[in-house]
Amino acid sequence: ETGVTQSPTHLIKTRGQQVTLRCSSQSGHNTVSWYQQALGQGPQFIFQYYREEENGRGNFPPRFSGLQFPNYSSELNVNALELDDSALYLCASSSGGEDYGYTFGSGTRLTVV
Amino acid sequence: AQSVTQLDSQVPVFEEAPVELRCNYSSSVSVYLFWYVQYPNQGLQLLLKYLSGSTLVKGINGFEAEFNKSQTSFHLRKPSVHISDTAEYFCAVSEKGYNKLIFGAGTRLAVHP
Repeated sequence: ETGVTQSPTHLIKTRGQQVTLRCSSQSGHNTVSWYQQALGQGPQFIFQYYREEENGRGNFPPRFSGLQFPNYSSELNVNALELDDSALYLCASSSGGEDYGYTFGSGTRLTVV
Repeated sequence: AQSVTQLDSQVPVFEEAPVELRCNYSSSVSVYLFWYVQYPNQGLQLLLKYLSGSTLVKGINGFEAEFNKSQTSFHLRKPSVHISDTAEYFCAVSEKGYNKLIFGAGTRLAVHP
């Protein structure tokens, strides 16, 4: 079975621009979560999607938005980029069951200059 | 609200020595507990998890952890480390029934020959 795939792996954007990050979930998984990991810190929960609906959100402003598609892949969109948005963005998929079997992707490294 | 404290930001250890990475959590409700490992430029890999049952949990790569409810701790141990265990280790907590992981700041394990 394939794991979680994220694209692109690296990205450089200018402050004020918009960015879209993509995630293909593991086969059989219908739940996708996004996390932001700043340098030297633990991942912070951004939001989760279950069957195309947002199903929980962390303490992030509305300029962080997402989508989940019928094939359970997902996008994270960030508008009006700020320097502090520079981070590793991780996607995790799960089956939504009680085994809490999250599978993480390798992440997208976003640098805002 | 839940929180996770990893008591050591860095742990240096010699190869074949035992190691313990400490994790304390705070929560007013029942939780699930996890340890993840992150190798350079990679995503997170699940080492082990505690959902219920035996408080001693065995994971991959020879790691184990013990859930101590009275001390709200979930320390990770390995009796003999290898150079390849050098990585960042994250402790995480999730409220039962809610698929959101709260991570600690991480512990950098450096294994020296």
